[in-house]
Amino acid sequence: GAGVSQSPRYKVTKRGQDVALRCDPISGHVSLYWYRQALGQGPEFLTYFNYEAQQDKSGLPNDRFSAERPEGSISTLTIQRTEQRDSAMYRCASSLVLAGTDTQYFGPGTRLTVL
Amino acid sequence: AQSVTQLGSHVSVSEGALVLLRCNYSSSVPPYLFWYVQYPNQGLQLLLKYTSAATLVKGINGFEAEFKKSETSFHLTKPSAHMSDAAEYFCAVRARGGNEKLTFGTGTRLTIIP
Repeated sequence: GAGVSQSPRYKVTKRGQDVALRCDPISGHVSLYWYRQALGQGPEFLTYFNYEAQQDKSGLPNDRFSAERPEGSISTLTIQRTEQRDSAMYRCASSLVLAGTDTQYFGPGTRLTVL
Repeated sequence: AQSVTQLGSHVSVSEGALVLLRCNYSSSVPPYLFWYVQYPNQGLQLLLKYTSAATLVKGINGFEAEFKKSETSFHLTKPSAHMSDAAEYFCAVRARGGNEKLTFGTGTRLTIIP
């Protein structure tokens, strides 16, 4: 079956522009997570959803970052007025059930470059 | 709050030699622990996870890890390295109950010497 997919895979934008990153989780997965990974670092939590409800957004760096999952499936991470420090790999993951032991399956990521 | 420390950002081993990648966690209560592998231009793939059943956990590709509460460690090992094991490896921790997020270490890049 299909894994987690993300689009676009690469995004180059100019400082000040808005960007929208899309995540399509594995079909039927309840939970969806967003992480950001800087070069040479491990992924860092941004936010997560159970179904369509955003459960925790404590990792979002500031109010320029927002995420939604309106129908409990596809999610969009939006960054407004991008800055160079936003350049990173943005990773999405999904898991089947609401359990701490459950595996998070990761997508290939979106590489964002802000010029 | 949980955290993990991976000792050694780069590890090189000869093909056929033992692989040992170190991970220590910090948590007031023993957490759930995970090892992920990242191949170039790919997403993270789960190698194995500790969820408080057996303390010795076997994963894919011949890897295993042992949870040692007394040492707050969850080191990853493989008896004999293969060229295809070259990748970046991440240890991650997750709290029992409550927040579902994973907290990752900074990663260890494994190089296999022919």
